[in-house]
Amino acid sequence: AQTVTQSQPEMSVQEAETVTLSCTYDTSESDYYLFWYKQPPSRQMILVIRQEAYKQQNATENRFSVNFQKAAKSFSLKISDSQLGDAAMYFCAYRSVNTGNQFYFGTGTSLTVIP
Amino acid sequence: EPEVTQTPSHQVTQMGQEVILRCVPISNHLYFYWYRQILGQKVEFLVSFYNNEISEKSEIFDDQFSVERPDGSNFTLKIRSTKLEDSAMYFCASKNPGTEAEAFFGQGTRLTVV
Repeated sequence: AQTVTQSQPEMSVQEAETVTLSCTYDTSESDYYLFWYKQPPSRQMILVIRQEAYKQQNATENRFSVNFQKAAKSFSLKISDSQLGDAAMYFCAYRSVNTGNQFYFGTGTSLTVIP
Repeated sequence: EPEVTQTPSHQVTQMGQEVILRCVPISNHLYFYWYRQILGQKVEFLVSFYNNEISEKSEIFDDQFSVERPDGSNFTLKIRSTKLEDSAMYFCASKNPGTEAEAFFGQGTRLTVV
């Protein structure tokens, strides 16, 4: 079974600085998707960034980028130029391409942005 | 921006009672999901629903749980005879078919069983 591990329950970053959130996963599949979702307090979980496992190039979305290391099964999220609105719970998630539509989530990392 | 909405945001119920958690998925989506997160633990898959029937369910989703799409717009999760350990945040999600399609999540319902 797939498992996703986020080893940092809480992180903090100074406004305008860079922070990296860690995620590792375990799977025997070769093709899959990895995601980072952001959940602000009392708000919907929204997709931040997605990585297809078959793509070697790391995904980027504006200030958000990932470091995808397939062999190491690592998928970290880097937030550059952190803003107060980045404060949220961040979930790393895995979804198989071939078997079902369900997500496997980590426990989440709560990010605080310090003004 | 379309969004998945869940009601209520917080539900408190007595042990042994039945609760119904409600979700309005995005209108043209065809797959619907329930997930839950017990405090401090992972977000766990409960069930997926497609074409008016359950397409997948986890071991957690036993006879205590049921889902329904009663009127073409709502998607409900019923928990019968609630237990203390059912206290959790419950998330609804919806998406279109296809592995490329993005899933949209609701803001969650916090269920507290006392």
